[in-house]
Amino acid sequence: DQQVKQNSPSLSVQEGRISILNCDYTNSMFDYFLWYKKYPAEGPTFLISISSIKDKNEDGRFTVFLNKSAKHLSLHIVPSQPGDSAVYFCAARATTSGTYKYIFGTGTRLKVLA
Amino acid sequence: DTEVTQTPKHLVMGMTNKKSLKCEQHMGHRAMYWYKQKAKKPPELMFVYSYEKLSINESVPSRFSPECPNSSLLNLHLHALQPEDSALYLCASSQVAGSLYGYTFGSGTRLTVV
Repeated sequence: DQQVKQNSPSLSVQEGRISILNCDYTNSMFDYFLWYKKYPAEGPTFLISISSIKDKNEDGRFTVFLNKSAKHLSLHIVPSQPGDSAVYFCAARATTSGTYKYIFGTGTRLKVLA
Repeated sequence: DTEVTQTPKHLVMGMTNKKSLKCEQHMGHRAMYWYKQKAKKPPELMFVYSYEKLSINESVPSRFSPECPNSSLLNLHLHALQPEDSALYLCASSQVAGSLYGYTFGSGTRLTVV
C-alpha cells in the first residue's frame, strides 16, 4: 500500500528548460512534505520542504507547489542543469505512536540533457 | 562535521553469519533512523530512535536488531538473514524525529546475503 506515489519513473529535460516532478499522496493527515535528491552510491540529500498550510515554497531554482484538495505536490526546477540529473524522492510526514516519521515516494529519475 | 558515516560500505554475508552495520553522527542530532532500500524502490523506514530510545519499529523481523549505545551511534545487528534481505541499508539522523529540516543520510551499506 504505497501512500506516496511518483507516477513518472523517469523524466528527460533539455538543459535550461523547466523540470516538473510530480508526487501524489493518499493520506490527508500528512502535515509536511520534503523533496530529496539522490545520486548513485550516495544517500538522499534534502532539497526543499513545504508545510501543509502553505501552497508554495521557493528556494533558488527550486519551487515546490502543494495542492491539498488534489493531494498532489510538484517540484519545479528552473532552469534545469546537467548536475540536477539524479533520482528525486518526495516524502510525507506522518505519526506513529506519537513519533513523526517520513514516508518516501517511489522516486523519479531526472536526466537533464546538455 | 555535517555527515553521517556508515560502515562498512559493502558487506557480503552468509545466511548463518552474524554481522553489524554501524552509523555515526556528530551533529548533535537526537533522532536516528534505519532505512532499507531495494533497487528501483523508495527507502523504507525500519526503525526510529529518538533520544536514544526506540520509538518506531515498522514490524521489522527479529533477525534485524537495532541498538543505540549513545546519542552519536546507531548499530544494526544482523543474524540469520535471507537472500531477500539483500539491499542498501541507509542510516539517517535529524535534530528531532520528523524534523522539518529533513534528514541527513549516510551513503549506505550495500548488503548481499548469499
